[in-house]
Amino acid sequence: ELKVEQNPLFLSMQEGKNYTIYCNYSTTSDRLYWYRQDPGKSLESLFVLLSNGAVKQEGRLMASLDTKARLSTLHITAAVHDLSATYFCAEGFSGNTPLVFGKGTRLSVIA
Amino acid sequence: DTEVTQTPKHLVMGMTNKKSLKCEQHMGHRAMYWYKQKAKKPPELMFVYSYEKLSINESVPSRFSPECPNSSLLNLHLHALQPEDSALYLCASSQEGGRNQPQHFGDGTRLSIL
Repeated sequence: ELKVEQNPLFLSMQEGKNYTIYCNYSTTSDRLYWYRQDPGKSLESLFVLLSNGAVKQEGRLMASLDTKARLSTLHITAAVHDLSATYFCAEGFSGNTPLVFGKGTRLSVIA
Repeated sequence: DTEVTQTPKHLVMGMTNKKSLKCEQHMGHRAMYWYKQKAKKPPELMFVYSYEKLSINESVPSRFSPECPNSSLLNLHLHALQPEDSALYLCASSQEGGRNQPQHFGDGTRLSIL
């Protein structure tokens, strides 16, 4: 059974602090995605990770992929309130096969 | 702003009504998807169309009927829905063979069944 596990599911962090969200996936997928969703809004693509050791950064967010460990991480540096949202990782496959989503991590950045 | 456009943004309907959700993309993507998302849950796949043909139906009840009139349009016809069908319905599209491209999601239709 395809399974994507994220942890933590809830994260409350202070502004200025660093933290990491973990995403474990169950199969030898060839791509891993990170999405952000604000309440009542759609999913916004953040990162596409395709190969072992891939690292991508955008602002205060950095994502990495370890295909051998079947692990992706989303690292938050010096959090700000605007980063408050739900973050989903999703495992992808070749062809037009649908994504398998994790349960999401609800991040709340507080002053 | 997203490149996948969904209408309407909000829909309230009774259990005996018939309505349709619409989705449009002009990115040349050949795969289109319908997802259902309940509050505080991840999206759940409903249907996948590939080259205008239904390729995946995730055992969705027949009260939901998808249609893909052409490569840019995707509809979801609704009939005799139940209160538990209230959710955010998301449309997405992706590029054939586009490994380095994510699925692009529309803003969704928030559906409430009375």
